[in-house]
Amino acid sequence: QVQLQESGPRLVKPSGTLSLTCAVSDGSISSRSWWSWVRQPPGKGLEWIGEVDDSGVTKYSPSLMSRITVSVDKPKSQFSLKLNSVSAADTATYYCVRHHSFSFDVWGQGTEVTVSS
Amino acid sequence: QSALTQPASVSGSPGQSITISCTGTSSDVGGYNYVAWYQQHPGRAPKLMIFDVINRPSGAPNRFSGSKSGNTASLTIYGLQVEDEADYYCSSYTTSKSYVFGTGTKVTVL
Repeated sequence: QVQLQESGPRLVKPSGTLSLTCAVSDGSISSRSWWSWVRQPPGKGLEWIGEVDDSGVTKYSPSLMSRITVSVDKPKSQFSLKLNSVSAADTATYYCVRHHSFSFDVWGQGTEVTVSS
Repeated sequence: QSALTQPASVSGSPGQSITISCTGTSSDVGGYNYVAWYQQHPGRAPKLMIFDVINRPSGAPNRFSGSKSGNTASLTIYGLQVEDEADYYCSSYTTSKSYVFGTGTKVTVL
């Protein structure tokens, strides 16, 4: 069973860039799958951020697309998220996830990111 | 893209059945058979319970059942068990080639 693990800074300064990486455990990032980022602010619901496939094709949330970049690194079996111009509203637990059909079947454990000076 | 609408809370006694609704528009729930349901226990990552409206992934108990009518999808839990107490979220693919989640429903087992 594939496992996903998020990594990156837990604290980001306002107006800075949030950068996270997701390691895919069994090298299956080249299996013609899509890989997404989903976030959840404290005490709130889930929000889809964006996705990338193994060839680097991306799709982004309309509300975030001006600030985000999602990319894939197949040799390293990982994919990444960059979110620019962050504010306190971007404080959340960020999950990397694998797609199954048009749903998300494998989730990382999540990483809490706080935007604060 | 507005979040799909779910009831804030639903409760039931062990053994009973409960249903959670998820209302969207013709641009998401009503436009595709790509509705999924997730269970999330406190402090844990969500777990996929239903995909493509009606299908259960391996590992999801068969007491979980999904359906859809028009712009509203539903998740029914038959024979409610104590371990079913959790937050539940629906999601749908959209005409914007993006995904939208529901507002979330807290299920309480009385």
